[in-house]
Amino acid sequence: HVQLRESGPGLVKPSQTLSVTCTVSGASITSATHFWSWIRQTPGKGLEWIGYFYYSGTTFYNPSLKSRAAISVDTSKNQFSLNLTSVTAADTAVYYCLSPYCVAGSCYPYWGQGALVTVSS
Amino acid sequence: AIQLTQSPSSLSASVGDRVTITCRASQGISSDLAWYQQKPGRAPKLLIYDASNLDTGVPSRFSGSGSGTDFTLTISSLQPEDFASYYCQQFSSYPLFTFGPGTRVDI
Repeated sequence: HVQLRESGPGLVKPSQTLSVTCTVSGASITSATHFWSWIRQTPGKGLEWIGYFYYSGTTFYNPSLKSRAAISVDTSKNQFSLNLTSVTAADTAVYYCLSPYCVAGSCYPYWGQGALVTVSS
Repeated sequence: AIQLTQSPSSLSASVGDRVTITCRASQGISSDLAWYQQKPGRAPKLLIYDASNLDTGVPSRFSGSGSGTDFTLTISSLQPEDFASYYCQQFSSYPLFTFGPGTRVDI
């Protein structure tokens, strides 16, 4: 059973870089059947997909973030992380890690519980 | 990228009502759709995956159907704990696993 747990700073100042990490248990970060993803939800709003990392090294990001997002992986710790640069108050959100497990045309999504990150001076 | 729309955006219902929420994809996505329930301050909870498969532990009053572009989530008899927001998500179009905008179910 795959479990995901987010960790982050809680508070980030405007113009700085937001970093959140997802620790994975029950699956290897090098698995070919998972897309290691980040989602966010701003207060009172819907769910926005940020991007994902795939075991082959492929990454893809939501174009709406205008190249501010980067996802990296630490295989020794079985973790993946999101860095979001030049943050503003609009980046205040709950950040979730999500890992769709996709095999033979079927995808089962695993979610973390979320980490609230507030952007404020 | 595939766009998902949901209707209605909100609805008011009573305990015991049958509730149907629709999710429409801008192009065919086979059965690669999940439904979630979300309550304030909580992470989304998976209800349905692959359009019609009930996740473990989800009450049988929830059901999902559809394929291609049109999908429905049905709650056969609304319970007090079902008042929440509901989202669909597609897994067909890599690289974007897009979400619908949500449906709020109120008393």
